[in-house]
Amino acid sequence: DIQMTQSPSSLSASVGDRVTITCRASQDIRNDLGWYQQKPGKAPKRLIYAASTLQSGVPSRFSGSGSGTEFTLTISSLQPEDFATYYCLQHNSYPRTFGQGTKLEIK
Amino acid sequence: QVQLVQSGAEVKKPGASVKVSCKASGYTFTNYAISWVRQAPGQGLEWMGWISAYNGNTKYAQKVQGRVTLTTDTSTSTAYMELRSLRSDDTAVYFCARASVYSTSSPDYWGQGTLVTVSS
Repeated sequence: DIQMTQSPSSLSASVGDRVTITCRASQDIRNDLGWYQQKPGKAPKRLIYAASTLQSGVPSRFSGSGSGTEFTLTISSLQPEDFATYYCLQHNSYPRTFGQGTKLEIK
Repeated sequence: QVQLVQSGAEVKKPGASVKVSCKASGYTFTNYAISWVRQAPGQGLEWMGWISAYNGNTKYAQKVQGRVTLTTDTSTSTAYMELRSLRSDDTAVYFCARASVYSTSSPDYWGQGTLVTVSS
């Protein structure tokens, strides 16, 4: 199975900050990676697909980069509605695997 | 617009079975697959399996293999997840999500989730 190691597990930041979340894959997954945002009691929402393509309707302050084994999600200027938990998901091989999640909290 | 609407919350006893439905609308059901993901209380997301609505092919996570069956009814554009021999650690919110048939993209649209509680 491909292991997805996501860091940090939690992050405190302020409105306007730039934050970066990282996912490392245990083997090459090309660009077969999505990033999701989840708010309490809600379903995950896809932000980024194919590692760096912004989902339609998602604000441009979100961006993704990377390929192979190293991936990052960057929020360029945090807004109040961005405080949530973020997950990466690899879809290169079965079983699909998620990162452990990053809880983004208000400082 | 694409929508996935799941069935309501369930409470089951250990050893019982549960069947969760996921009704799709707004797209051609057989052009996509459905992935199932669960989330135990306070925990992260766990992929359970995938079924192609095109040809019924399935993939399962080893953790639930043998206890889970994914099916689709193309006449009603509905996917089903049945989990048997329920244990307390199966208590979770179960999500369905639209996935690609050829694994070319990550799941995009998600259902609202179904809480399954396993308790004696």
